[in-house]
Amino acid sequence: EDQVTQSPEALRLQEGESSSLNCSYTVSGLRGLFWYRQDPGKGPEFLFTLYSAGEEKEKERLKATLTKKESFLHITAPKPEDSATYLCAVQAVGNQFYFGTGTSLTVIP
Amino acid sequence: DGGITQSPKYLFRKEGQNVTLSCEQNLNHDAMYWYRQDPGQGLRLIYYSQIVNDFQKGDIAEGYSVSREKKESFPLTVTSAQKNPTAFYLCASRRREGRDEQYFGPGTRLTVT
Repeated sequence: EDQVTQSPEALRLQEGESSSLNCSYTVSGLRGLFWYRQDPGKGPEFLFTLYSAGEEKEKERLKATLTKKESFLHITAPKPEDSATYLCAVQAVGNQFYFGTGTSLTVIP
Repeated sequence: DGGITQSPKYLFRKEGQNVTLSCEQNLNHDAMYWYRQDPGQGLRLIYYSQIVNDFQKGDIAEGYSVSREKKESFPLTVTSAQKNPTAFYLCASRRREGRDEQYFGPGTRLTVT
């Protein structure tokens, strides 16, 4: 069964304390893996697309990596404005998209 | 600016009433999607459309209906048959071909009492 699991469910960090969020997946034929940021009461905002194992993408304090079974979103020296829920999604063969339940990140000043 | 708009932002209805949520995009995307988001659950697909005048049921289509008469528009109707309609509804679009990401609208929060 195709599925996406994100961990941890919630993460509290002190400002400047780097950490990683995990997205593990089991899908038949990965076509792409996507990271989104979602603020409360708003729609998800696209961050990164990863297509193949070994690929990495960076944007400001965020870096996404991909292996054959999982993806990590590394947050370096986070700031309070990085507080949000981070969603992972995968696109499988047949154009179906599967979403994880997200990691709620809180960065404390 | 290109993007996806959803209206209204908040919607309140009584049980037994049908309600239609609007989704418009000016990104020239062929594919459009409707998702439902509930606390503690991932986004669940309601309906999607790859091209005008064609759409397919997603995982939780019961109690919902859609139409796709124009490329830019993909309205969702929540019918009285939907047993638990209170939720946050998200519309998304993407290019039909390839492995592109989806772009989301701001969402509509529907409350049915």
